[in-house]
Amino acid sequence: EDQVTQSPEALRLQEGESSSLNCSYTVSGLRGLFWYRQDPGKGPEFLFTLYSAGEEKEKERLKATLTKKESFLHITAPKPEDSATYLCAVQASPTDSWGKLQFGAGTQVVVTP
Amino acid sequence: IAGITQAPTSQILAAGRRMTLRCTQDMRHNAMYWYRQDLGLGLRLIHYSNTAGTTGKGEVPDGYSVSRANTDDFPLTLASAVPSQTSVYFCASSATWDRGTTEAFFGQGTRLTVV
Repeated sequence: EDQVTQSPEALRLQEGESSSLNCSYTVSGLRGLFWYRQDPGKGPEFLFTLYSAGEEKEKERLKATLTKKESFLHITAPKPEDSATYLCAVQASPTDSWGKLQFGAGTQVVVTP
Repeated sequence: IAGITQAPTSQILAAGRRMTLRCTQDMRHNAMYWYRQDLGLGLRLIHYSNTAGTTGKGEVPDGYSVSRANTDDFPLTLASAVPSQTSVYFCASSATWDRGTTEAFFGQGTRLTVV
């Protein structure tokens, strides 16, 4: 059964204190791994898609990386506006319905000034 | 502004009542989805549709039904609501291509409380 596990569940950072979030997955065949940001009371907002091991994507203070078993979201010198819940999701092999995404439970990040 | 519109934004519903959550997208995406989000459980797929006229069951389909009469609309119906269906419901859509899908775009959610 496909599984996505995110750690830690919660992370409290001082402004400027860099850190990484982990997303480990077990799927029969990875088609794509997605990172989303979710603010309280809002829907998830797309950040990155990673398709193959070794791939990296960057956006402002965020950098996502992918290996064969896990993905990391690195937050460099975070600011309070980076506070949010970060969600990881995987899309399994196209032999499965490619409409399905399996989400992790998320990591809640709080950045204090 | 292009995107996904969900209605209502919140609702308190008596147990046993029927309820339809509405979802409309204007991005002409082929695929649409309904998720529910519960504390500690993350987003779980209820139903999905890869193209107009087709639907499929997700991880937690029991008690819910969907239809996809056209590209833009994907309503979710609770035939007889129960308290365990209290949740935040998100509709999403994505473009599809022959080897998969692009990223999903989400609506703002419907907060449903069944009492």
